[in-house]
Amino acid sequence: DGGITQSPKYLFRKEGQNVTLSCEQNLNHDAMYWYRQDPGQGLRLIYYSQIVNDFQKGDIAEGYSVSREKKESFPLTVTSAQKNPTAFYLCASRHEGRQNTEAFFGQGTRLTVV
Amino acid sequence: DAKTTQPTSMDCAEGRAANLPCNHSTISGNEYVYWYRQIHSQGPQYIIHGLKNNETNEMASLIITEDRKSSTLILPHATLRDTAVYYCIVRAYTGANSKLTFGKGITLSVRP
Repeated sequence: DGGITQSPKYLFRKEGQNVTLSCEQNLNHDAMYWYRQDPGQGLRLIYYSQIVNDFQKGDIAEGYSVSREKKESFPLTVTSAQKNPTAFYLCASRHEGRQNTEAFFGQGTRLTVV
Repeated sequence: DAKTTQPTSMDCAEGRAANLPCNHSTISGNEYVYWYRQIHSQGPQYIIHGLKNNETNEMASLIITEDRKSSTLILPHATLRDTAVYYCIVRAYTGANSKLTFGKGITLSVRP
C-alpha cells in the first residue's frame, strides 16, 4: 500500500545522545516535512524539503538536522544541542508542483529523553 | 501563507451538526483553505479543501464566505469518533515558499 511510514513509534534515549528518526514515503511525493508537537500544542515546523538534496529550516530548526539524499526518505536527527527533545514528531509529504494537493502524515514517533 | 485563527475548543452533541469556524482575513487570491484533523496521538488526516466555492465530500462540507475571509467546516452528524483537534490552514498553490504551517487548531469534543 502507498503511504508514509515513520519508525520507530516509540523511542527512548539518554540525554546527550543524538538520535535519528526515520521517515519513508512511497507516494512519489516531492515535498517532505518534519513537525514537532508538544502536549496540548499544535504542530511546529522543524525542517522541510521540496526536492532531493535541498531543504530549508522551519520555525524551530535549532538542535535538529536533516538530509534528503533520496526522494522517498527524509530522516531527522535530534542532536544533543536540542534543549528539550522529548516530544511527538510527525513527518508529512505532499506532491509539489500540482495544484492544491493535500499532505499525508505518518503516525508519528514519540521520543522520550531521560 | 496567510494566518488563520480558530477558537480553542467547542463541543456538540452526538448526532448533531458540528460547525467549526475559521478566520483567515489576510487570505490572498491564490490561497486555498484546507482542513485537517488529528485524533489523539495519531498523525493529522486531510478532510477537505476549497478555493472559493463550497465543497462537500464524504467526511464534511466546507463553506467559504464570499469575501473568503472566513470559512466553516461542517460535520453533518457528529459521532464520538469525531472528537479530535481540527486544523484550518491556508496555503498557495506553489511558489518558492513551500512551508506548510499549522496553528493550534480547535478541539472538538462530541458528547453522548
